[in-house]
Amino acid sequence: QVQLVESGGGLVKPGGSLRLSCAASGFTFSDYYMSWIRQAPGKGLEWFSYISRSGDMIYYADSVKGRFTISRDNAKNSLDLQMNSLRAEDTAVYYCARDDRDRDGYSEYWGRGTLVTVSS
Amino acid sequence: DIQMTQSPSTLSASVGDRVTITCRAGQSIGSWLAWYQQKPGKAPKLLIYKASNLQSGVPSRFSGSGSGTELTLTISSLQPDDFATYYCQQYKTYPYTFGQGTKLEIK
Repeated sequence: QVQLVESGGGLVKPGGSLRLSCAASGFTFSDYYMSWIRQAPGKGLEWFSYISRSGDMIYYADSVKGRFTISRDNAKNSLDLQMNSLRAEDTAVYYCARDDRDRDGYSEYWGRGTLVTVSS
Repeated sequence: DIQMTQSPSTLSASVGDRVTITCRAGQSIGSWLAWYQQKPGKAPKLLIYKASNLQSGVPSRFSGSGSGTELTLTISSLQPDDFATYYCQQYKTYPYTFGQGTKLEIK
C-alpha cells in the first residue's frame, strides 16, 4: 500500500534552517508528481510546492519562494524540502503528498506530517 | 490566487442527517476541485476529485456536484465516523488553494 513518511521536523530559531524528508513506498515513485502542503496549528491547509516526476518542473508559492527548495531522489524514493530563513509563520505540520496519476493536480495520498516549530 | 470560501464554517448535525457544504471560488475553476476530510491529529483524506468523482474506497453517501464558481459536497446520511473537518481545494490554477474548512459537529 502507498506509504509516505515525513521526518526532519523540530524546533528551530527564526532565521535558521531545517531539511525535511519524505520516504515513499508502495508505488513507483518516479511515476508521480509530489507536493508539500502545510498546516499551521489550528489553521487550514496551504499547498505551497510541487515537483514533477523527473524534477525538471518545480513550483513554489510566493510565501516560500526564495527560501525553500524542493528536490527528489527517484533512486531512493525520497522527497526533500530544504527550508532556509525560517520565520515564525512557517510553524506548521508539513505534509508530503502524492499527486494523482494523470497529474490533474489533486493530492491522492498524504503522509502523517512532521511538525516544524520556529521560535526563539 | 484563487480564493476559495466554504460555507458554513461550522455545521451541527445528527447521525442520519443529510448535509451539504458549499465551496465558492473567486473565479471559475470548472470542475477542478477536490474535497478532503480531516480528523484531529490526522492527515487529510481525499474524498472527491474533479468535483464529482468518488475516490476509491470512499462510501457512496459522499457525493460532489457543481462546476464553475459554486461546488458542493453532500453527505446523504451522516454516520458517526463522518464528524470531522472538510476542505475543498481548487487545482485549476497555481497556487492550488484550499477553502478555510468546515467543521462538522455532532448536534
